[in-house]
Amino acid sequence: DGGITQSPKYLFRKEGQNVTLSCEQNLNHDAMYWYRQDPGQGLRLIYYSQIVNDFQKGDIAEGYSVSREKKESFPLTVTSAQKNPTAFYLCASSIGLTYGMNTEAFFGQGTRLTVV
Amino acid sequence: AQSVTQPDIHITVSEGASLELRCNYSYGATPYLFWYVQSPGQGLQLLLKYFSGDTLVQGIKGFEAEFKRSQSSFNLRKPSVHWSDAAEYFCAFLTTGNQFYFGTGTSLTVIP
Repeated sequence: DGGITQSPKYLFRKEGQNVTLSCEQNLNHDAMYWYRQDPGQGLRLIYYSQIVNDFQKGDIAEGYSVSREKKESFPLTVTSAQKNPTAFYLCASSIGLTYGMNTEAFFGQGTRLTVV
Repeated sequence: AQSVTQPDIHITVSEGASLELRCNYSYGATPYLFWYVQSPGQGLQLLLKYFSGDTLVQGIKGFEAEFKRSQSSFNLRKPSVHWSDAAEYFCAFLTTGNQFYFGTGTSLTVIP
């Protein structure tokens, strides 16, 4: 089945450690996104990528880094510079705006990161 | 500034009653609009989307939404709510830069 796989579902880290969240898609989508979700704040865009080897900062990119070396993969690293990293992280993908009306975001099941 | 506003943080309805969730957007052009639903601890599922044409769009699970350009609104409706509709609902739009912007969500509780 086609879809987006995020792993792990739950992740615990000590304060000051970097941690990488995995996101893989087999939908052959060009665009991929990372969102952070906190209670009452909806989804906030961290980074997005329109194409392999290219990505742009979203609204809350500070303390995060990404790479897009393969079309199907878009890992997110939460660095020690992120002051409040405990949150629910969602990865999404879309076919790309050039496809017009077929564009919609497909989401993974999320990773809940807890930093202690 | 571009944004999505969902003015109702939480709504409670009785099972079988009608539902309307409000969404207003601020964007310089006509956006592509979406409604998504999220169950606790899960990802988001698309309910419906509007790109152009008929301003009343039908979605899955009996939901519909109406785009009103004059009011910059895209409200979600359902004529009769089921207990399984209890979830968090997000309105979103897509920019010409291919970014999806989401509202803060409306949490729906359904009472028997």
